[in-house]
Amino acid sequence: ETGVTQTPRHLVMGMTNKKSLKCEQHLGHNAMYWYKQSAKKPLELMFVYNFKEQTENNSVPSRFSPECPNSSHLFLHLHTLQPEDSALYLCASSPWQGETQYFGPGTRLLVL
Amino acid sequence: EDQVTQSPEALRLQEGESSSLNCSYTVSGLRGLFWYRQDPGKGPEFLFTLYSAGEEKEKERLKATLTKKESFLHITAPKPEDSATYLCAVKVLGTNAGGTSYGKLTFGQGTILTVHP
Repeated sequence: ETGVTQTPRHLVMGMTNKKSLKCEQHLGHNAMYWYKQSAKKPLELMFVYNFKEQTENNSVPSRFSPECPNSSHLFLHLHTLQPEDSALYLCASSPWQGETQYFGPGTRLLVL
Repeated sequence: EDQVTQSPEALRLQEGESSSLNCSYTVSGLRGLFWYRQDPGKGPEFLFTLYSAGEEKEKERLKATLTKKESFLHITAPKPEDSATYLCAVKVLGTNAGGTSYGKLTFGQGTILTVHP
């Protein structure tokens, strides 16, 4: 595997489900990011981890819970989501926080 | 508040018809401007970084330029495979929760480019 990978690529969940998104980077980077991309809106930064420490939480609702066990892996745990949370969730990494970011393919999430 | 505005929202070109996309910004202390390309259902792909007014970078049919208020992405003789959404992002200095300064990206909403054969 090369670059940034994300699984699953597509996810459909009910509002009472619990699911997790996974991101893995193979670039030797130290910073990882979660973004939300909704139709016709700019990318919204959700969380940033730099050297495994969370350094940014952009006022994200608590139904989204990130986890970064090491510099190569990032998870986004989802529970009791709302239909308006349906979007493309993108993971990115960079050598360290603030440098050029490289993105994964995204997880397309649909909340019913 | 930092603002990034891309225009037009959508652009349709015929193959070979050159044009430009615009990214205008209002930020305090630009530390870099990034261009990305995003294909449908995929993540953004990094294209260029520009750091100072007057700087230009080229890649195949694309050339990015930067002034103190805006950046242009010029597309020369485009082909259908250039069809994508083009995103720009500006980098400014922010402070994270730990009080450390770092570069923070703010994205524009993108320009959807369609090139017809």
